[in-house]
Amino acid sequence: DIVLTQSPDSLAVSLGERATINCKSSLSVWRTSNNLNYLAWYQQKAGQPPKLLIYWASARESGVPDRFSGSGSETDFTLTISSLQAEDVAVYYCQQYYYIPIVFGQGTRLEIK
Amino acid sequence: EVHLVESGGGLVQPGGSMRLSCAASGFTFSGTWMSWIRQAPGKGLEWVAHIKEDGSVQRYVDSVKGRFTISRDNAKASVYLEMNSLRAEDTAFYYCARDKVGGSYDAWGQGTLVTVSS
Repeated sequence: DIVLTQSPDSLAVSLGERATINCKSSLSVWRTSNNLNYLAWYQQKAGQPPKLLIYWASARESGVPDRFSGSGSETDFTLTISSLQAEDVAVYYCQQYYYIPIVFGQGTRLEIK
Repeated sequence: EVHLVESGGGLVQPGGSMRLSCAASGFTFSGTWMSWIRQAPGKGLEWVAHIKEDGSVQRYVDSVKGRFTISRDNAKASVYLEMNSLRAEDTAFYYCARDKVGGSYDAWGQGTLVTVSS
């Protein structure tokens, strides 16, 4: 099965600073026929279900603040929060939906420094 | 507004069975794939199963194949997860989620907790 490995496992960033989370896939999730990467990012706050932030690796979900951005292709992806806000404290997951089984990364815990 | 509400969780003994339900509203249910995703307490997310719009295709993670069955009733705008031969490792919050086109999940329920323990 495909494996998604996120780094780091946890991260502490000062308010207003940039936060970067990486996701490496053991197989390419880029489909050449439509030039799309089947990779999404989610935010999960304590006691809540996950919330979709980014899909197709870089498309921002409606209503998600523009400080969240996704980049990367094939096997290496990045979620960037350009200016950390207090409400961004959460666990972040990447997910691939190219292969079955659908797989999530192990999660990255983001805290305020 | 899109709304997903799971029900049916609780405590069950190892080897037992349980049926989860997810009631959907606020969107055209018959036009979207639906999924179940679980999360053991304090752990990460694990995709369990999904089902096509018309119910003709179902897929499962290997660890539940032969034990779990996903189904749907489009007339009732509901998706179900029938779970048999439950094991301690099936203990988790179970979320139903709406598949955005392609396979990401743009709507999630609040989850229902299944605890498998004697």
